[in-house]
Amino acid sequence: SQTIHQWPATLVQPVGSPLSLECTVEGTSNPNLYWYRQAAGRGLQLLFYSVGIGQISSEVPQNLSASRPQDRQFILSSKKLLLSDSGFYLCAWSNSGARNTIYFGEGSWLTVV
Amino acid sequence: AQSVTQLDSHVSVSEGTPVLLRCNYSSSYSPSLFWYVQHPNKGLQLLLKYTSAATLVKGINGFEAEFKKSETSFHLTKPSAHMSDAAEYFCVVSDGGSTLGRLYFGRGTQLTVWP
Repeated sequence: SQTIHQWPATLVQPVGSPLSLECTVEGTSNPNLYWYRQAAGRGLQLLFYSVGIGQISSEVPQNLSASRPQDRQFILSSKKLLLSDSGFYLCAWSNSGARNTIYFGEGSWLTVV
Repeated sequence: AQSVTQLDSHVSVSEGTPVLLRCNYSSSYSPSLFWYVQHPNKGLQLLLKYTSAATLVKGINGFEAEFKKSETSFHLTKPSAHMSDAAEYFCVVSDGGSTLGRLYFGRGTQLTVWP
């Protein structure tokens, strides 16, 4: 069966510091991978998605970047965090194709102080 | 264009009474529709999905939803609420017109269950 792992679960970082959130998927090949952010009291916002190694699409201009160095690894990064980067970040995967279900990781709480 | 509207931001019910969480969607294509549940500080868990098969879809934990194309609705129901159902629920539509399967989320409905 497929599993998705995301870490760290909780992170408190000062403004201006770097960020690295990591996500890996097991039990499948060539998945679509996603990073979402859920700010307090708001819905989910798609940040990045990837349909293959090295293929990253950004949905919104921002202080963050994503990379996919391996087929089942997706990394969310920032060189310098802003206060507005605080939120709950969710990694997700799906099999390729339009109608496949998206499955979410457990999420990472980021607080920028 | 695709969009999802969850008609209630908060729903409160007593334990043992029925649950109704309302969702309307718009889609340019034949959509796939999902309901996810999110418990505090947790990721989203799939409750059920509709992908153009039977219009009444049964999910986990006793939940079900009915796809009504004429009303562009996909309301979530459960006959009898349990305390463990207290969580936030998201109605989601998938863009069937692309190869990516991009999701469009409603803003969520917070379900409170009173003892």
